[in-house]
Amino acid sequence: NAGVTQTPKFQVLKTGQSMTLQCAQDMNHEYMSWYRQDPGMGLRLIHYSVGAGITDQGEVPNGYNVSRSTTEDFPLRLLSAAPSQTSVYFCASRDGQGNQPQHFGDGTRLSIL
Amino acid sequence: AQSVAQPEDQVNVAEGNPLTVKCTYSVSGNPYLFWYVQYPNRGLQFLLKYITGDNLVKGSYGFEAEFNKSQTSFHLKKPSALVSDSALYFCAVSRSGGYQKVTFGTGTKLQVIP
Repeated sequence: NAGVTQTPKFQVLKTGQSMTLQCAQDMNHEYMSWYRQDPGMGLRLIHYSVGAGITDQGEVPNGYNVSRSTTEDFPLRLLSAAPSQTSVYFCASRDGQGNQPQHFGDGTRLSIL
Repeated sequence: AQSVAQPEDQVNVAEGNPLTVKCTYSVSGNPYLFWYVQYPNRGLQFLLKYITGDNLVKGSYGFEAEFNKSQTSFHLKKPSALVSDSALYFCAVSRSGGYQKVTFGTGTKLQVIP
């Protein structure tokens, strides 16, 4: 099994551009989430989903959009990129409710110039 | 609101010595607690969890953690550190029941010195 797959691995954008970070999991997990990792700040939750058609905001949702049309895919959209969104983005999934660990992808390293 | 504190940005330990990485948490109700490890340019990998039951939980690679409810702590330990244990370690908490969100600490860099 591939687990959680994130594409692209690296991306450079200009301020104001939009893009979509892809996340796919092949474990049939209901719960999926997006985090950003910044030095000294740990992982902060951007958006999450408890199943197809259901999404909700995390701690830092502004400037990001998500949708969940299938169980497998959970794309993250940057609407108008800003330098403050330069970060490493991780997608994660887990089976069932909160007593299960999350499985993480290897991240997308995003630079906004 | 729930939170996790990892008070040490970095922990240095000599190879073969015991190691401890500290974590304290705040959450309403019963906690679910997790430790993850991150190697350079990789995603987080699950080490161990406390859900209920025994306060001492054992996980991957010889790591263990002790849940202390009165001190709201969940420190990660290993009896004998290896150079290959050098990595970034994250503690995480969520509230029990349903699809609760997970809150991560800021991470502790463990450096094992040969």
